Amino acid sequence: ETGVTQTPRHLVMGMTNKKSLKCEQHLGHNAMYWYKQSAKKPLELMFVYSLEERVENNSVPSRFSPECPNSSHLFLHLHTLQPEDSALYLCASSQNSGTGGEKLFFGSGTQLSVL
Amino acid sequence: AQKITQTQPGMFVQEKEAVTLDCTYDTSDPSYGLFWYKQPSSGEMIFLIYQGSYDQQNATEGRYSLNFQKARKSANLVISASQLGDSAMYFCAMDQAGTALIFGKGTTLSVSS
Repeated sequence: ETGVTQTPRHLVMGMTNKKSLKCEQHLGHNAMYWYKQSAKKPLELMFVYSLEERVENNSVPSRFSPECPNSSHLFLHLHTLQPEDSALYLCASSQNSGTGGEKLFFGSGTQLSVL
Repeated sequence: AQKITQTQPGMFVQEKEAVTLDCTYDTSDPSYGLFWYKQPSSGEMIFLIYQGSYDQQNATEGRYSLNFQKARKSANLVISASQLGDSAMYFCAMDQAGTALIFGKGTTLSVSS
């Protein structure tokens, strides 16, 4: 079992759909992250949660709504997305956040296509 | 503001040869960390190596070493004795206290037999 598990691996949705991405970490970490990876662009940090509280939100559109019910689970709720939101969404966890030198452990990502 | 630059979109190397992937960074903070990650076609980002800004020696992890030149603000990854399984995207990243990792655009490494 890998340390960080993301489901689903692939998702195709229409612009009017509502869907959720799920991330679960089995490493006992206190911080979890969502990153967006678009073609030919650097990974973009979307959200950071530390001990279930959101500590960073990088000006992400409100059509992306994160939820962190506990330190092991992280969700990204999607609604009324645009085609430019098609990307690989990566979840990561680390022991702590904001302390510097923290190694992130990543899941395999959800490849999202918005039609 | 922090910035990571990877100028090589693609690199090609033969098996058993060494290869250097370039990374330069920009920050005004004296305390920071530099990371390299590997992303195979499966999508998962795999941690390779870490260098702290105050570390006196270059970091090494098996076949990976980080050529840290602080004055030049460069943190190049050196892979010795390349293997076919090294073919992947490689990302340089940086963090500072109070911030999450920021990444460069990546370099695609192709290893041929």
